[in-house]
Amino acid sequence: DAGVIQSPRHEVTEMGQEVTLRCKPISGHDYLFWYRQTMMRGLELLIYFNNNVPIDDSGMPEDRFSAKMPNASFSTLKIQPSEPRDSAVYFCASRLGGGHGYTFGSGTRLTVV
Amino acid sequence: GDSVTQMEGPVTLSEEAFLTINCTYTATGYPSLFWYVQYPGEGLQLLLKATKADDKGSNKGFEATYRKETTSFHLEKGSVQVSDSAVYFCALSDPGKGGSYIPTFGRGTSLIVHP
Repeated sequence: DAGVIQSPRHEVTEMGQEVTLRCKPISGHDYLFWYRQTMMRGLELLIYFNNNVPIDDSGMPEDRFSAKMPNASFSTLKIQPSEPRDSAVYFCASRLGGGHGYTFGSGTRLTVV
Repeated sequence: GDSVTQMEGPVTLSEEAFLTINCTYTATGYPSLFWYVQYPGEGLQLLLKATKADDKGSNKGFEATYRKETTSFHLEKGSVQVSDSAVYFCALSDPGKGGSYIPTFGRGTSLIVHP
């Protein structure tokens, strides 16, 4: 298995633009998670899905953030409009069932200028 | 709620030194405990885990023992290498709402190993 695949690896965009981050989880994993990592806040859980259904989005910072999972093999995290304070590394992770460790993607480093 | 506290870094060691990274936790339930490692420019990777008291998780020369009486899960390695330089995250997960097992992560401890 190729692991959790995220794209793009790096994204630089101007303030106000829409940004879409993509994730392909490991085949067969039923949980998908989006995290944001910054020096100030560490690792923050934004939202997670179980069997493609959003379960908890309480970590999504604002209405500018949205996430979808149209099928078991694909998820997107969208920021519209983007702001400089959204600059961070965004990770997608997937997991099979409960009580097990995650598999993380390599992350998308987002820079909003 | 659940929380994980790790020692502040960076931890700086010479090659072949002994490593300890402290981790303590608070949890309402009976959690599973994990250590993850993050190498520069990469995502977190599961290093080891323990699911019940007195279990010892081990991998790549690292080990940690689940100590329920002290609510701790300290990471140790007898002889570190330069290639062990990374950020190490302690985490716990318990069933939570509806058996979701959403983990709680510590802030991470940076390890720097010099030749």
